[in-house]
Amino acid sequence: QVQLVQSGTEVKKPGASVKVSCKASGYTFTGYYMHWVRQAPGQGLEWMGWINPKSDATNYAQKFQGRVTMTRDTSIGTAYMELNTLRSDDTAVYYCARGPMIRTPVGWFDPWGQGTLVTVSS
Amino acid sequence: QAVLTQPASLSASPGASASLTCTLRSGINVDTYGIYWYQQKPGSPPQYLLTYKSDSDKQQGSGVPSRFSGSKDASANAGILLISGLQSEDEADYYCMIWHSSAVVFGGGTKLTVL
Repeated sequence: QVQLVQSGTEVKKPGASVKVSCKASGYTFTGYYMHWVRQAPGQGLEWMGWINPKSDATNYAQKFQGRVTMTRDTSIGTAYMELNTLRSDDTAVYYCARGPMIRTPVGWFDPWGQGTLVTVSS
Repeated sequence: QAVLTQPASLSASPGASASLTCTLRSGINVDTYGIYWYQQKPGSPPQYLLTYKSDSDKQQGSGVPSRFSGSKDASANAGILLISGLQSEDEADYYCMIWHSSAVVFGGGTKLTVL
């Protein structure tokens, strides 16, 4: 079955960086966009951007431009999201989610990874 | 003003119907957008429910019961998620989403209580 499995909980200090991984299985990794969405404690969903695993193209939400980098390793079907210069308000659960098929401009997110809690605290 | 506005909470009784709204900001016409709906239960990631753009352009998520359906209220410039025959398991947070200006936007979510 289609599945996304993310890396484990992270605790970071302000100013540090975090890199979260998302391993895909059950489908052609390069056939679908991969999106990243975060959710602060008790808050709603916030879209961060996407990566096209086939071309390596990316599109980041304006809020995160300059601070986020999305990459992928097609040999192991894994996407990564790295967030730099962490602040306390970056504390959140970070999700990867499979987006629409490549060459499809819009579509839904399904499935989602289980989430990775990133805590930023001094 | 947020792009998408959802009521923070809604309560309904088992067996009844619940209508969850997702209002688009003035100047953004709901007619031109597909509205995506997700359900999230505590401690779990969101799950895709359905997409609604029009009666002829809609999609139901895999395994999602038919008692979940989408529609629009053009006069209110809003997308609607209708849940009929409410069950206790429907108690969850519900989020709407659109693609807008090459970006994805989520509504703030509605906490549905079934009591």
